[in-house]
Amino acid sequence: EAGVAQSPRYKIIEKRQSVAFWCNPISGHATLYWYQQILGQGPKLLIQFQNNGVVDDSQLPKDRFSAERLKGVDSTLKIQPAKLEDSAVYLCASSPSGSLYNEQFFGPGTRLTVL
Amino acid sequence: GDSVTQMEGPVTLSEEAFLTINCTYTATGYPSLFWYVQYPGEGLQLLLKATKADDKGSNKGFEATYRKETTSFHLEKGSVQVSDSAVYFCALSEYGGATNKLIFGTGTLLAVQP
Repeated sequence: EAGVAQSPRYKIIEKRQSVAFWCNPISGHATLYWYQQILGQGPKLLIQFQNNGVVDDSQLPKDRFSAERLKGVDSTLKIQPAKLEDSAVYLCASSPSGSLYNEQFFGPGTRLTVL
Repeated sequence: GDSVTQMEGPVTLSEEAFLTINCTYTATGYPSLFWYVQYPGEGLQLLLKATKADDKGSNKGFEATYRKETTSFHLEKGSVQVSDSAVYFCALSEYGGATNKLIFGTGTLLAVQP
C-alpha cells in the first residue's frame, strides 16, 4: 500500500513570495490533515478535512494561508505572501476516518525555507 | 488548553542500555495517548498508543503505560539498539465533535552509540 505522498520535498523562497504544497493521502482515507512543524517544536495542526469539507481550521493563519481538497482526495496548501516565520516542515497526514482511535499516517513532509 | 510536556534531549545512550523518555500531559477530558517516532529523513510513524487509563501500549520492544493518576505516558525500552536512534514525540488526541487532532510534545532526540 502506497503511503502519503508530498511534493516538493524542499522549497526555498524569499519573503513575500507565494508557495504551494501538494499532498496525496492514502487511497480511501477520508480525513486529511496539514501540520506545521517549526524546528525544535512538535507538529501543530493547521487544518483538517473530512472528505472535501473543513472540520477544523482554527489554527490556520487565514490572512496568508489557504488550503483546499476539491475532490476529497489530494490537497494543496498555499502560503501567500510568505513570512520568515513560516520556515518550517509542512506535514500531511491521513486517516481512514475522523474517529478518536484511528492512526494518522504521515507523509515525509515539505521543508520550507523563507529567506 | 490541552498540552504535552516531554523531557528535553538529546538523550545519548550506549547500545543495550535502558531507555526512559518522560511524558506528561494536561487534558480536560480523557484523551488517547501516542508515541510517534521520526527516523532521519523519514516521516512520523506511530510507535504505540493507549486509549484509556492503565492501558499499556507496546511495539518493537518499546512500552508505555497510560497513568491517569500521574497524567503520564513514559516511554521505556529495556535494551536499545543503534537503529533506535531517532526523534520521539509524545502526543495526545483531543476529541471534540468530528476532530481528532493530535497535540504533540516538542520531541526528544535519542542517539544510541555502539
